Amino acid sequence: GAGVSQTPSNKVTEKGKYVELRCDPISGHTALYWYRQSLGQGPEFLIYFQGTGAADDSGLPNDRFFAVRPEGSVSTLKIQRTERGDSAVYLCASSPEGVPYNEQFFGPGTRLTVL
Amino acid sequence: AQKVTQAQTEISVVEKEDVTLDCVYETRDTTYYLFWYKQPPSGELVFLIRRNSFDEQNEISGRYSWNFQKSTSSFNFTITASQVVDSAVYFCALPFSGGYNKLIFGAGTRLAVHP
Repeated sequence: GAGVSQTPSNKVTEKGKYVELRCDPISGHTALYWYRQSLGQGPEFLIYFQGTGAADDSGLPNDRFFAVRPEGSVSTLKIQRTERGDSAVYLCASSPEGVPYNEQFFGPGTRLTVL
Repeated sequence: AQKVTQAQTEISVVEKEDVTLDCVYETRDTTYYLFWYKQPPSGELVFLIRRNSFDEQNEISGRYSWNFQKSTSSFNFTITASQVVDSAVYFCALPFSGGYNKLIFGAGTRLAVHP
């Protein structure tokens, strides 16, 4: 079956612009996670959705970052007024439920470069 | 505080050598899960293993084995007879306290296996 997909695979933007990153989870997975991975580091948690609601957004670095999942499937991560420090790979993962024993299935990531 | 430490930044071996990747963790939970993920050059994180804290038996899967020791808070990963295809970055991860699977990752160990 289809895995987690993310679009675009690469995004280059200019400082101050707005970007949207999309994640298509595995069908039927209710839990969806966004992580950010900087060069040479492990992924860092941004936000967790259970169904349509953001159950935990404690990892979002500031109010320029926002994410939605309106129908409990596809999610969009939105970044306003991008800064050079936002450059990273943004990873999306899904799992059947948001419980500690479930493995997470990761997408290939979107590489964001802010010039 | 919860933390995952992978002290080895990079390891280089020659094919057929055995190699062990270290993972040390800190958690305030009495029961918890631990994970290993592989990130090949393509970038997509691939699940390798999940281990719960109340099962300290070592696990073997083909050339891969894992040594979980609760007394030293370590969950080490050994590859026997390494192959070039094992070249990747390997991450150890632990769910945050809170009842769902928001993961905290170590910084990763980059393994290079040379022919």
